[in-house]
Amino acid sequence: QVQLQQSGAELVKPGSSVKLSCKASGYTFTDYAMKWVKQRTGQGLEWIGVIDPEIDATAYNEKFKGKATLTADTSSNTAYMELSRLTSEDSAVYYCTRYGFWGPGTMVTVSS
Amino acid sequence: DVVMTQTPVSLSVSLGGQVSISCRSSQSLVHNNGNTYLSWYLQKPGQSPQLLIYKVSNRFSGISDRFSGSGSGTDFTLKISRVEPDDLGVYYCGQGTQYPLTFGSGTKLEIK
Repeated sequence: QVQLQQSGAELVKPGSSVKLSCKASGYTFTDYAMKWVKQRTGQGLEWIGVIDPEIDATAYNEKFKGKATLTADTSSNTAYMELSRLTSEDSAVYYCTRYGFWGPGTMVTVSS
Repeated sequence: DVVMTQTPVSLSVSLGGQVSISCRSSQSLVHNNGNTYLSWYLQKPGQSPQLLIYKVSNRFSGISDRFSGSGSGTDFTLKISRVEPDDLGVYYCGQGTQYPLTFGSGTKLEIK
């Protein structure tokens, strides 16, 4: 069965960076693009961007250009998202999702 | 960006009842390939979103036929019949026709 296993919660300092992971199993990793979505507490869903692992192509929401960097490792079937220059506005749950399936989310808390 | 407007913000329904949620997009969601990439998701309390409906009216695998989607162009509706306790949560519409992907602000379904 398809599973997206995301890395654990992060408590990070303002101005730092953090790299989240999403390990896929139960399907051929290169068959589906992986999207990342942000959800602040009690808020709606924001699309960050997408990576096609087969051709290593990315597309970003303009709002997250310079903030998020998406990569994928086909040898380990894992997608990554690095968030840089973190501020309190980046405190949120981040989901990886491919067609029809969502990971459990990773909570990122930015605090000094 | 395509703006997705959902109504109502919240609704309360008795068990066994029927509800409709509306979603309007600021631009037509008909893709150049002729498909309309409008999806519906349910986020149950404390969980990740789950895909209910894709391409306007197609139920995702394992989704009850109590859920039905309809619409075209810029106007879409999700109907839930014979509401059950497990249906409570926040429903989102989302468009995948144009980058950046965007979501409605959500409709909270409560059970009376």
